[in-house]
Formats: sequence, structure tokens, C-alpha cells
Amino acid sequence: KAGVTQTPRYLIKTRGQQVTLSCSPISGHRSVSWYQQTPGQGLQFLFEYFSETQRNKGNFPGRFSGRQFSNSRSEMNVSTLELGDSALYLCASSRTSANYEQYFGPGTRLTVT
Amino acid sequence: DAKTTQPPSMDCAEGRAANLPCNHSTISGNEYVYWYRQIHSQGPQYIIHGLKNNETNEMASLIITEDRKSSTLILPHATLRDTAVYYCIVRVDLYSGGGADGLTFGKGTHLIIQP
Repeated sequence: KAGVTQTPRYLIKTRGQQVTLSCSPISGHRSVSWYQQTPGQGLQFLFEYFSETQRNKGNFPGRFSGRQFSNSRSEMNVSTLELGDSALYLCASSRTSANYEQYFGPGTRLTVT
Repeated sequence: DAKTTQPPSMDCAEGRAANLPCNHSTISGNEYVYWYRQIHSQGPQYIIHGLKNNETNEMASLIITEDRKSSTLILPHATLRDTAVYYCIVRVDLYSGGGADGLTFGKGTHLIIQP
């Protein structure tokens, strides 16, 4: 069974730009969670989508948003990029909402210059 | 959610069993113990989880003490590819009355498998 896929794998953007990252969950998984990982802050929860609805949100500014499509694929968007947004963005899928048995993708490495 | 304590690093010889301890002395009755690992520059990988009974899957075994205040993850025949940071996490799932606030990793244990 194919794992979680994320595109693109690497991205370089300039301050002030916006970016959209994509995640395809494991077949049959209906929940997608997004995380930001940095050396200083570790793994931080951004939000979770289940059945096209955002179920929970972490402590991030409104510049970070997401959505989920009817096929469970998800996208996250970051607007007005700041240098501090440079991070590894990870997507994880699970069968149900708020399920901590999560399967992660390889991540998208975002560099903001 | 209960806090966990893990040793910062451990060594293990290739082919031997790697036993990774985790202390969660403030765990409550409906909290599960989850183990993840992260190999450098890759996404985290789910390993196993349990509530109070010992669990085994194709990757590892999880031994939870009777009082549930600590647990041990066992990799039965460690290989060089098992070198990673291992995270022990305690969480209440939504259906047991918990929130849906995602996973958070502490510092974990850096397991180094020696050839």
C-alpha cells in the first residue's frame, strides 16, 4: 500500500510570497494532520482535517491555513512568508480523527530567503 | 497529557535487542503509550502503541509495567537502519475523552546501533 506523499519535497521562497503544499494520505485514511518541525521548536501541530472539515488547530497565526478535498487529499497554504517559516512541513494521515496512530510523509523542506 | 522521561542516548550492538525505557509516572487510566521514531531528515514513523497489555507487531514489542508508570520498547534484532531518535508519547484519544491537539515530541532517545 502506498504511503503518504507530499509535494513538493523542497521549496525556496522569498519573504512576502505565499506557498501551497500538498499531501496525499494513505488510501482509506480520512484524517490529515499538518505539522511544522524546526530544530529550535521541535514538532508543532498546525491543524487536522477530517471529512473536509478542520477539526482542530494549533497555535499558529492566521497566515497558515489548509483545506481538505473530498478524496481526503489536503493542502496547506502559508501567506506572507517570513524568515521564521523556514522549516520541514510534515503531513500525517490516520484512519479517523484525533487518532494518534499517524503515518507521516517525507515532508516538504521550505526555505524562506 | 502525562509527561514522559527518556534517556537522551543509548548504544546497542547490531543484532542484539535494543531496550528503550520511558517513564510516565503521572499517566492516567485512559492514556495510551505511543512510540515513534525519526531517522535523520525523514518524517517520523509510527512504531507501536498500547494501553496496559503488552503489544507486539512486526517492528517491535511494547512492555508496559503493571502500574503503567513506565514502559519499554524492544527492537528484537537491531540493525544499523534502526539508528534514529525514538519518542515515547502519552495521549488520550478523542473517543476516550481527549482532545485532538496532535502529537508533540520531547527530546526522545537517540539510539545508535553499533556495527
